[in-house]
Amino acid sequence: NAGVTQTPKFRILKIGQSMTLQCTQDMNHNYMYWYRQDPGMGLKLIYYSVGAGITDKGEVPNGYNVSRSTTEDFPLRLELAAPSQTSVYFCAGWDGHTQYFGPGTRLTVL
Amino acid sequence: KQEVTQIPAALSVPEGENLVLNCSFTDSAIYNLQWFRQDPGKGLTSLLLIQSSQREQTSGRLNASLDKSSGRSTLYIAASQPGDSATYLCAVRGSTGNQFYFGTGTSLTVIP
Repeated sequence: NAGVTQTPKFRILKIGQSMTLQCTQDMNHNYMYWYRQDPGMGLKLIYYSVGAGITDKGEVPNGYNVSRSTTEDFPLRLELAAPSQTSVYFCAGWDGHTQYFGPGTRLTVL
Repeated sequence: KQEVTQIPAALSVPEGENLVLNCSFTDSAIYNLQWFRQDPGKGLTSLLLIQSSQREQTSGRLNASLDKSSGRSTLYIAASQPGDSATYLCAVRGSTGNQFYFGTGTSLTVIP
């Protein structure tokens, strides 16, 4: 039981490039979340999903897109990367009681 | 909009000392509050969850309290150890919806 896994662990992008952050969970969670964490700040919700085929915006969705074709996978897409998207990105699953977090992806946009 | 604040931002204590971390939130209409631990370069790990109807929860050397009416929670760590060094974050779940609002965290260093 791997829990919540994220790839890649680190990535450097140039301004204007695109990429997909992968998130996979094997805990059968319907609810999944994407957060970003900036230095000295708390986690900000980007998007979340309540089940396959259903997604909704969080607090800071601009510049991002998500999809949820299966229960297991919840990828986060960055289009036209900007320096303001430099951050650590966390994916989490929720069992209705506790959130389970992946190890994070550290993204730098130069 | 729910705002969650944690004070202090950083705390350094000698080993063996008891300590208290603070969390405050602006909207008292919460479903529950959770305390997490984050080690450098890692994800968050849940420590304690307090439902809105509860006053406190305990797990080992950790005790979390909740005063919903005043919008405050504390995390008490007894007999601190160097292994407790980490960042501690609190998060509240609103009474409606399925979103969580996180504080900015307190970075704790326990000096041997």
